[in-house]
Amino acid sequence: EAQVTQNPRYLITVTGKKLTVTCSQNMNHEYMSWYRQDPGLGLRQIYYSMNVEVTDKGDVPEGYKVSRKEKRNFPLILESPSPNQTSLYFCASSSLQVPEFFGPGTRLTVL
Amino acid sequence: AQSVTQLDSQVPVFEEAPVELRCNYSSSVSVYLFWYVQYPNQGLQLLLKYLSGSTLVKGINGFEAEFNKSQTSFHLRKPSVHISDTAEYFCAVSSGSARQLTFGSGTQLTVLP
Repeated sequence: EAQVTQNPRYLITVTGKKLTVTCSQNMNHEYMSWYRQDPGLGLRQIYYSMNVEVTDKGDVPEGYKVSRKEKRNFPLILESPSPNQTSLYFCASSSLQVPEFFGPGTRLTVL
Repeated sequence: AQSVTQLDSQVPVFEEAPVELRCNYSSSVSVYLFWYVQYPNQGLQLLLKYLSGSTLVKGINGFEAEFNKSQTSFHLRKPSVHISDTAEYFCAVSSGSARQLTFGSGTQLTVLP
């Protein structure tokens, strides 16, 4: 089954404690991206990747890092999380240059 | 810069009635346009896309959308909705570079029995 998986699905952490949200796809897609979803703001792109070792900033990259060492994985790293990063995060992948398949989401709360 | 405006945040409609969800965009270059659907507690799913060609685009689940360049709109329509269509719908636009996708704030469609 074609899918995008994210882990963890839910996470509560404290300010400043580094965390990583993993994203993996099994469709051999070149394009992957991360979004955050906040009430009334829709989805905003954090980072995207056109291929292995090729990443670029989206609309709201501050406070986030990504890496793309393998085609299937695209982890999102928060080096020092802050409360304003409390949000619902989605990873997406596609054979196009826009997302077609989204993961189930990761709900992050930073206290 | 590109932007998307979804004119209605909530649209209640009775089952089997037609529905139109409105979307307007602004962009200084040619655009690609998309509609996504998000069912409760799930990720987004691509409903349909306009890349080029015919301005009337058909998607999954009986939805269609029409690209109107002069009015910079991409409204989503369905002639007869079902309870299972209850979800949040997002319009999105990408410029010719196709690297950044800008989403609208979403329209919650609630289908009433």
